[in-house]
Amino acid sequence: DVKVTQSSRYLVKRTGEKVFLECVQDMDHENMFWYRQDPGLGLRLIYFSYDVKMKEKGDIPEGYSVSREKKERFSLILESASTNQTSMYLCASRQDRAGNEQFFGPGTRLTVL
Amino acid sequence: DAKTTQPNSMESNEEEPVHLPCNHSTISGTDYIHWYRQLPSQGPEYVIHGLTSNVNNRMASLAIAEDRKSSTLILHRATLRDAAVYYCILVTNAGKSTFGDGTTLTVKP
Repeated sequence: DVKVTQSSRYLVKRTGEKVFLECVQDMDHENMFWYRQDPGLGLRLIYFSYDVKMKEKGDIPEGYSVSREKKERFSLILESASTNQTSMYLCASRQDRAGNEQFFGPGTRLTVL
Repeated sequence: DAKTTQPNSMESNEEEPVHLPCNHSTISGTDYIHWYRQLPSQGPEYVIHGLTSNVNNRMASLAIAEDRKSSTLILHRATLRDAAVYYCILVTNAGKSTFGDGTTLTVKP
């Protein structure tokens, strides 16, 4: 059974902390994605990666960075967490660029106090 | 980036067909049309996708207009388990996809 896993379901951090959200997929997919989901705003793409060490900005990259050192792992980094980054974060992966389904992880609900 | 427009909400009766519309008038020639759905407290789940021709799978059918500016997701017999938020998204050749607010489908017994 294919899987995208995220390191935590719930996370509470303080303003100014550095936060790492980890995502791992076991399907040998080329493409990986980070979204955030907020009520009334739907899912918004933060960053995506189509290969190891490659990254592309999504619609809302400000305040975030990413790392893809290995094919199966895609990390989202909040260098200095702020309260407006409190959100549900969803990771996803897909085999090719556009023509196949995207598999999502269960999400990490991050609260920044 | 091309955007999609969907109704905020729709209702259906159990066992009846449901047609969920989506407008994407600024779609480019290489964009794929994907549909996902999301149940409460879960990540989105793939439903179906297509490029130009209509598509069928075990979950649903996708009808794509000839000019590709709109599409319709068809659930042939709605069940209570189909109640979810349904997202119509366009995926570019570069792999980028933008989700809108989706349609909240309520299924009444």
